[in-house]
Amino acid sequence: GAVVSQHPSRVICKSGTSVKIECRSLDFQATTMFWYRQFPKQSLMLMATSNEGSKATYEQGVEKDKFLINHASLTLSTLTVTSAHPEDSSFYICSARIQFTEKLFFGSGTQLSVL
Amino acid sequence: DAKTTQPPSMDCAEGRAANLPCNHSTISGNEYVYWYRQIHSQGPQYIIHGLKNNETNEMASLIITEDRKSSTLILPHATLRDTAVYYCIVGRSSNTGKLIFGQGTTLQVKP
Repeated sequence: GAVVSQHPSRVICKSGTSVKIECRSLDFQATTMFWYRQFPKQSLMLMATSNEGSKATYEQGVEKDKFLINHASLTLSTLTVTSAHPEDSSFYICSARIQFTEKLFFGSGTQLSVL
Repeated sequence: DAKTTQPPSMDCAEGRAANLPCNHSTISGNEYVYWYRQIHSQGPQYIIHGLKNNETNEMASLIITEDRKSSTLILPHATLRDTAVYYCIVGRSSNTGKLIFGQGTTLQVKP
C-alpha cells in the first residue's frame, strides 16, 4: 500500500523551544494532508488540514499560531509546535489522501515529550 | 460527518473469526464506511472501506446492511497480531478529505 513517512518518531525538547515534524508521501502525490493529535488512552483528534500551496485549515480550538503548518510541495507537509509546553506533549500523526481515491494513509506518528 | 457507535471492547479466540459491529444510523447517501486499526503507539492502518456493497480484501471483509445504518468488519481468522483498537469511521474522504475518529473498539485476541 501507499507509504506515508513521518519524522522524527520521537522527540524530547525543553519547554519554550520549537519542534518541527515532517510528513512525506513516498510514492504518491498528496494535495491534502491532515494532522492529528492523540493523548494517552484517547482517540485521534483532528487538528488541521494541510493544503499544498495554500493556508492550512484548523479545527475549532486549535491555535494556528501555536501549530504552524506548511505544505510546500505535493509530497511534504510540516507541523511546527512553537514555544512548546508540557501540555503539548502528545502523539502527533499525519495522514495523506491519494488523489482521486477514497483512501487515507497514516504516518507512524511522532511522540513529543516537552520537559 | 455522521457519527458511529462501536462497543468499547471485544474478545476473540485466536483462529476464530472476529466480527466487529458498527452503527452509523445517520449516514448520508454519499458517505463511505471506513475501517482503520491502531496498534499501540503506531499510526492507524487502513483496513477496508465501502459505500453500499460488501467488500473483501486480503485483510478483512466489510458487510454493510441494506439500509446502510450499520456494518460489520470481519477478520476471518484472528491472530494475536490483530489485537488493536479498531475504528469505524463514516465520511466522504474525497470531499473535505478529513475523517473524524470516534472511540473505537479494543479487540483482544486471546490464545
